[in-house]
Amino acid sequence: EVVLTQSPGTLSLSPGERATLSCRASQSVRSSYLAWYQQKPGQAPRLLIYGTSNRATGIPDRFSGSGSETDFTLTISRLEPGDFALYFCQQYGASQFTFGPGTKLEIK
Amino acid sequence: QVQLQESGPGLVKPSGTLSLTCSVSRELTAYDWGWIRQSPGMGLEWIGHVSFSGDTKYNPSLRNRVIISADTSKNQFSLRMISVTTADTAVYYCARVRINVIRGAVFDFWGQGALVTVSS
Repeated sequence: EVVLTQSPGTLSLSPGERATLSCRASQSVRSSYLAWYQQKPGQAPRLLIYGTSNRATGIPDRFSGSGSETDFTLTISRLEPGDFALYFCQQYGASQFTFGPGTKLEIK
Repeated sequence: QVQLQESGPGLVKPSGTLSLTCSVSRELTAYDWGWIRQSPGMGLEWIGHVSFSGDTKYNPSLRNRVIISADTSKNQFSLRMISVTTADTAVYYCARVRINVIRGAVFDFWGQGALVTVSS
């Protein structure tokens, strides 16, 4: 099983700032199969990024993803009030999905 | 756009069986359909998924207790989990699964989630 670790656990920033969220895998992940989700309280997760760097439909270009093998990054270039939420990375391999524990992005 | 809606009992007794159904707004063909759960204050856990033809994949940690099935005539798929404990208390989400080398392996549409509490 591929274990995903996310850091930091909590990130405190102000609107307008840049957020950098990290996702590290216990073994190499195919870049096609690394995704990011955003979850707000009381809501289901929403797909943000698929295939490491491709934005899902309707996701603004402030959100970008990068990385390869075991190290992946989600960057939010200019934080807006609605971006403060929980973010999860997810991988698929050997017909199994695993999620990271999440990074909470909170207003400073 | 695809809409998904979970339904089923919100309370299950310990050692009992958890049963949930997901109703989908379109035909099940061409995609897989999955279940994910989230314990209170915890992260996300993939339970398993089923293809429209009935092929299944399960989380190894839950494989012995879970069955996921699809009913294409009703545009529904279901989760059945036996021998539940309080550790199975969670919000259960159904979602469409897209697995494609070009478009990734993701859950691209989700239901709103159903809280299931295991308690006597």
